[in-house]
Amino acid sequence: QQQVKQSPQSLIVQKGGISIINCAYENTAFDYFPWYQQFPGKGPALLIAIRPDVSEKKEGRFTISFNKSAKQFSLHIMDSQPGDSATYFCARTTGGAGSYQLTFGKGTKLSVIP
Amino acid sequence: DAGITQSPRHKVTETGTPVTLRCHQTENHRYMYWYRQDPGHGLRLIHYSYGVKDTDKGEVSDGYSVSRSKTEDFLLTLESATSSQTSVYFCAIKSTSGIEGTDTQYFGPGTRLTVL
Repeated sequence: QQQVKQSPQSLIVQKGGISIINCAYENTAFDYFPWYQQFPGKGPALLIAIRPDVSEKKEGRFTISFNKSAKQFSLHIMDSQPGDSATYFCARTTGGAGSYQLTFGKGTKLSVIP
Repeated sequence: DAGITQSPRHKVTETGTPVTLRCHQTENHRYMYWYRQDPGHGLRLIHYSYGVKDTDKGEVSDGYSVSRSKTEDFLLTLESATSSQTSVYFCAIKSTSGIEGTDTQYFGPGTRLTVL
């Protein structure tokens, strides 16, 4: 099983601050690394994703940084807002050709306080 | 929501009873998945399907079975529910309309199952 280790488990950030969530993975061929955002009582929703041949991807206030040599990737939320309070999951694609599976980190509960 | 519905949304049952959860999709996706979500464990894959009558096991398949007799429906069955199967269950589909045209998964709203 290809694991994904996510940290921290929980995070409290002041409004306007930067939220940083880190993930580390083991081994890779060609993988795809999506991030999901989940609000209480809802299913996870795809937030942003990155390929390993790209070192950084930015969408609005959300940025993924990818360090292939260190086998780490991280999510940065700039100017964090109370509406960003949710649980965030990093993931990676696994499985052989045609099977396509996702392995998830254990999640980070983000609380943005006013 | 990628046209995914799950039923029931909430269920309370007793240990030893059979339970079937249904996932229904309206967009003809080939791949469908069942996950369970528990505090401290994130999302773990139970079973997945890559076509009608084609299924395979995931990380935590013990105690669960699945069936897919038509493209739009993927059923998860707990043959004899146990308290350890109390969880939130999510169905997902794979779509190639994800970010940068890559395959990615979209999730349903979930079913909260409590086994007493």
